[in-house]
Amino acid sequence: NAGVTQTPKFQVLKTGQSMTLQCAQDMNHNSMYWYRQDPGMGLRLIYYSASEGTTDKGEVPNGYNVSRLNKREFSLRLESAAPSQTSVYFCASTLGQIQETQYFGPGTRLLVL
Amino acid sequence: TQLLEQSPQFLSIQEGENLTVYCNSSSVFSSLQWYRQEPGEGPVLLVTVVTGGEVKKLKRLTFQFGDARKDSSLHITAAQPGDTGLYLCAGALDSNYQLIWGAGTKLIIKP
Repeated sequence: NAGVTQTPKFQVLKTGQSMTLQCAQDMNHNSMYWYRQDPGMGLRLIYYSASEGTTDKGEVPNGYNVSRLNKREFSLRLESAAPSQTSVYFCASTLGQIQETQYFGPGTRLLVL
Repeated sequence: TQLLEQSPQFLSIQEGENLTVYCNSSSVFSSLQWYRQEPGEGPVLLVTVVTGGEVKKLKRLTFQFGDARKDSSLHITAAQPGDTGLYLCAGALDSNYQLIWGAGTKLIIKP
């Protein structure tokens, strides 16, 4: 089992460019999450999907969109990247609710110039 | 705004020493999780505490949930270099679909 996988591992963008971060899990989990991690600020929830076919905003959704493509895949899109979106992005999944054990991917390091 | 404050933010000690990391809030949590994150990787769950006053042990790590379920501590006995990492706590709120994360304690154990 690969668990949670994320692509790409590292990306450099120019301001205004767009990109999609991919996430997939092979644990048959129902819920998936996108977080960003910035120094001194912990993990902040961007969007989540409690089940296939549903998505909801988290704490910091502005500038992002998501798609729950199927039960396995949950993508995060930056339509017009800004330097403030420079961060490390983590995808996670849980079998059920958010307070259950979260399984994280290895992260995507994004630098927006 | 619900906050979960972790202290200290950074700790560097010698191998063999003991240490305690704290996680405090004014909110009451239904459960609290501790994760460890190594450089370049995602966080990995260490333990979940659910009951006020609960104590859980994981080898040299001892986790305690406060009686009022507003705070938690992680005590490491005889720290080893393999304990190096970022320790994160996350509290679950009953009132909504929310998990509150602390900013983390960066721990370095020097051989």
